[in-house]
Amino acid sequence: GAVVSQHPSWVICKSGTSVKIECRSLDFQATTMFWYRQFPKQSLMLMATSNEGSKATYEQGVEKDKFLINHASLTLSTLTVTSAHPEDSSFYICSARSTSGISTDTQYFGPGTRLTVL
Amino acid sequence: GESVGLHLPTLSVQEGDNSIINCAYSNSASDYFIWYKQESGKGPQFIIDIRSNMDKRQGQRVTVLLNKTVKHLSLQIAATQPGDSAVYFCAENYSHTGRRALTFGSGTRLQVQP
Repeated sequence: GAVVSQHPSWVICKSGTSVKIECRSLDFQATTMFWYRQFPKQSLMLMATSNEGSKATYEQGVEKDKFLINHASLTLSTLTVTSAHPEDSSFYICSARSTSGISTDTQYFGPGTRLTVL
Repeated sequence: GESVGLHLPTLSVQEGDNSIINCAYSNSASDYFIWYKQESGKGPQFIIDIRSNMDKRQGQRVTVLLNKTVKHLSLQIAATQPGDSAVYFCAENYSHTGRRALTFGSGTRLQVQP
């Protein structure tokens, strides 16, 4: 149980284009999903908190117009990197928090999406 | 600001030995802690969690210890195996503020020597 998937697992795009990454909770419902970014040999940095049916909450320093988040259902959140630049190249990871069960604080992570912007 | 950090960036152990990974946290209001394992190119995998009203919790081959007095968290892995080689992160959550996100430590790489 508690499986989270991401698609695509990797993507290469040209500078200036937009890329959409999907995050799905496969066997549970998640009112809240989180998007993280991880640079090589570094820890996970929270970008934003995505709440189903409402606007995402962005961390300080994260441009909401550049990283568009949509959480249209209890099992799907999307992150769109708009007008991507080489400095946006990173490992993007989502997590989901279950709406039920023993602990609703536990976050389950997706496998990540490697974005390379040329 | 508040942070979660680790004492050792790399830990090398022999196969079969026990491993102990340490983590210090600075937010005394944190009430929930999780250990994650991350293999290269993959997302973090949940290992074990503990709430602040406990000081010890055991899982399969893993034990988490919480010392709130000194704000210290540790992960013990019994009979370490090559498959345990990965980067381990501790994470904290201070849910009483309403912020449900986790704050991650910097990570410790565990290397298991055969």
